[in-house]
Amino acid sequence: DQQVKQNSPSLSVQEGRISILNCDYTNSMFDYFLWYKKYPAEGPTFLISISSIKDKNEDGRFTVFLNKSAKHLSLHIVPSQPGDSAVYFCAASAKTGTASKLTFGTGTRLQVTL
Amino acid sequence: GAGVSQTPSNKVTEKGKYVELRCDPISGHTALYWYRQSLGQGPEFLIYFQGTGAADDSGLPNDRFFAVRPEGSVSTLKIQRTERGDSAVYLCASSPHPGRAAGELFFGEGSRLTVL
Repeated sequence: DQQVKQNSPSLSVQEGRISILNCDYTNSMFDYFLWYKKYPAEGPTFLISISSIKDKNEDGRFTVFLNKSAKHLSLHIVPSQPGDSAVYFCAASAKTGTASKLTFGTGTRLQVTL
Repeated sequence: GAGVSQTPSNKVTEKGKYVELRCDPISGHTALYWYRQSLGQGPEFLIYFQGTGAADDSGLPNDRFFAVRPEGSVSTLKIQRTERGDSAVYLCASSPHPGRAAGELFFGEGSRLTVL
């Protein structure tokens, strides 16, 4: 049972344009959402997060939008740069439990072309 | 370096053998996590340590898997009687935030385990 879903395995965007990566979740107990970026042969690195009390969080070129009623979040990257080419994982944690245990999606590979 | 260090980076073993994977977290980080990433999947939670104790081991798939963190710093993930299905990248992460205060984890580069 995939509680965090990233339905697009890959996305190609031209440099300078907007990249939009989508993520859906099913567990209504999730209250904190994160995006991680992963380059080949490296561990995932934290990019941006959002709490369920917000619907938008912005950090430079990166903005995450949360739609709780639709159980959907998206990551916008604008303008996209070639260095943004990586696999992006959406992750969520639940308010229950004692650990910040993250549930990850399967990832979306973003390629930014020149 | 200042990041999470994992050794070995690659391990090839035969079915039935015993394997140990080591994680050296960022200095001062009290929380330590092990995740497993299989091909084409996202990382899956295995176990969480707060200090020396395993606060949550609900992700360990079966009793062949065990992890320790005896002094609250370095952790070792131990896999007995390895099976081909154990082949994956094992990721270690640490966090300065105990519990679920922030959720942001600092990952190592992972140990790629291949069971032949």
